[in-house]
Formats: sequence, structure tokens, C-alpha cells
Amino acid sequence: AQKITQTQPGMFVQEKEAVTLDCTYDTSDPSYGLFWYKQPSSGEMIFLIYQGSYDQQNATEGRYSLNFQKARKSANLVISASQLGDSAMYFCAMRETSKTYGGSQGNLIFGKGTKLSVKP
Amino acid sequence: DAGVIQSPRHEVTEMGQEVTLRCKPISGHNSLFWYRQTMMRGLELLIYFNNNVPIDDSGMPEDRFSAKMPNASFSTLKIQPSEPRDSAVYFCASRRRVATNEKLFFGSGTQLSVL
Repeated sequence: AQKITQTQPGMFVQEKEAVTLDCTYDTSDPSYGLFWYKQPSSGEMIFLIYQGSYDQQNATEGRYSLNFQKARKSANLVISASQLGDSAMYFCAMRETSKTYGGSQGNLIFGKGTKLSVKP
Repeated sequence: DAGVIQSPRHEVTEMGQEVTLRCKPISGHNSLFWYRQTMMRGLELLIYFNNNVPIDDSGMPEDRFSAKMPNASFSTLKIQPSEPRDSAVYFCASRRRVATNEKLFFGSGTQLSVL
């Protein structure tokens, strides 16, 4: 079974509007971390935002916020006031704490990504 | 900080040739990861080092792949012999410490094409 599911292969959004990118995850570990990365066409992977499973509040970083619904096991990324430069692939990833100090040393498991296109 | 540095940026080679990818992690980081990215399989972990010691190489596809980390500032991923199905983007990433909330810093990747 997939650990990280991103159901939207591609999304379009109008410049200056908000957009939500979906991510659901599967884990039985009560402690885990969720990450979002951006990959523009140039190819590099850029860290955007982190949410810990025990964090009381949803994470925010500038125009990025995370809509974390623990019971639903979802961690959707919200980008407010989209800009043309936001056009990129977006990846959701998870690290399970039970594996952080074990053999896998907390490998990040990535979803397949969502391609976001911002229209002018 | 210079970030994670990978070389070469692009590599085109013929089937059967040896390919060596190089990575310099961020100074002070004690963990290094090699990932492979393809359209079909997404981002896959190949191997992980902690304090220069390979911890998990279960993602290495087969014996044709090998990775070394002779010191804290350098790692190589070698494919010998290379095959067309090895064509992918190979990323190196480093991490400061082992913790749930510790993010990975990625290099720019090496685009490998095996003809």
C-alpha cells in the first residue's frame, strides 16, 4: 500500500488565487513528520514546510500553510496568492519516528507529486 | 553555505560504460542520501549513510550499483555496467542530524542518460 498518496497529477490555478494540493498518508506510528517540497522545472528540490504529528497548530511559512487533519490522515498544502513562479511539481513526504532511529534512519517517503501550473 | 553539490550536472553515456556520480554534502551534516527519480517510480531511496557508514542499501537495484562515502565531505555512486533503464535523475541529499523533524537538503541532481 502506498504510504503517501497525491491524487492530483496536475492542477491549474489563476494567478493571485489560492490553491490546495492534496496529500493523504498511511501510518500506524503515532509520531511522524510531514514535509512538502517544490521542484521547479530546473530540477532542484526545495523544502517548503514541515508539520509534526503532535504539533497543535497547522504549520505556516509565508504564503504556504498546511491544512493538517490528523484523523483523516491528510496534510494538504495551501498556497495563497499564487504567483507565476509557483508553477512546479510539489511533493508530499513523510518520516515515521519509529523508523527514525532504526534501520531506515528515518528515510523520507515521497508521494508521486502534483504538477501545478499558474495561469496569468 | 554552498549547499549540497553534485557533479556532473548531466551525463550521457553508452550502455555498458561505467558511470560515477559525485556528491559533496553540506559541511556539518552527518547523514547522506542517494535518491533516484523517474517518471514511473517517482523518488526512490537508493542508499543512506550516517557518519560515513552505509546504514540502508536496500534500495540499490542490483550489484551493478555501488556507493561509497570515504569521508564526511564526499560520496560517490557508481554504476557498472550501465544500462538504458538506469536513465534517471539522481539526487544526493544531506541532513544535519537524525530526527523526525529534520529536513533533507537536496543537490541539483545529475541527469543520467544511458544510450
